[in-house]
Amino acid sequence: QSVLTQPPSVSAAPGQKVTISCSGSNSNIGRNSACWYQQLPGTAPKALIYDNNKRPSGIPDRFSGSKSGTSATLGITGLQTGDEADYYCGTWDSSLSAWVFGGGTKLTVL
Amino acid sequence: QLQLQESGPGLVKPSETLSLTCSVSGASISSSSYYWGWIRQPPGKGLEWIGSIYYSGSTYYNPSLESRVTISVDTSQKQFSLNLNSVTAADTAVYYCARQKGGYVVMLAAIIRGPYDMDVWGQGTTVTVSS
Repeated sequence: QSVLTQPPSVSAAPGQKVTISCSGSNSNIGRNSACWYQQLPGTAPKALIYDNNKRPSGIPDRFSGSKSGTSATLGITGLQTGDEADYYCGTWDSSLSAWVFGGGTKLTVL
Repeated sequence: QLQLQESGPGLVKPSETLSLTCSVSGASISSSSYYWGWIRQPPGKGLEWIGSIYYSGSTYYNPSLESRVTISVDTSQKQFSLNLNSVTAADTAVYYCARQKGGYVVMLAAIIRGPYDMDVWGQGTTVTVSS
């Protein structure tokens, strides 16, 4: 059972927009910044968003992040079939004294 | 361009020690801005942070694994290593090494500078625990 809760799956059509939620608590997202990772099938995770809403160099602006209270959200616009992947949120949990990840969300682009 | 490469045995017997090494190229392992971490992913499951190390040797472990984990660094060889002892089938996973940015975190009720988000990952290595 993950400390950060994500929906197991989301889906949308090509060109559409999708959001993925990451629900935490005051000991993790509520007091620390969140980040997001994309894991394409059979590959290592890749950083998508850090510090709640910043994109590493090379990440297109179709990907965005936000945080409100104890939840973080990843948004993807202009969906492409190449966006089909597992997406994970992550942050530090001050009660556990550990970095924690969400359980992951599988994105299907129909 | 920073590259991380994991190496080590792909098969470990139950109760023995899993040992992996991550080789760092394209950047300094002694940078004061970064930490170096290990993350694992059991088959079909999510990600789990194992622990991290700073170039000085300071270590940060996931409390759930701390009793079995040792992470070390060899700056002269540009490598850091993971030892996980007393392994069971539950330790079967893809093991990733990653560079982590530094950030202020609360650890054991104290605010310290420690490992934060992972910005570069290795390709991962599969370790199976089986007799």
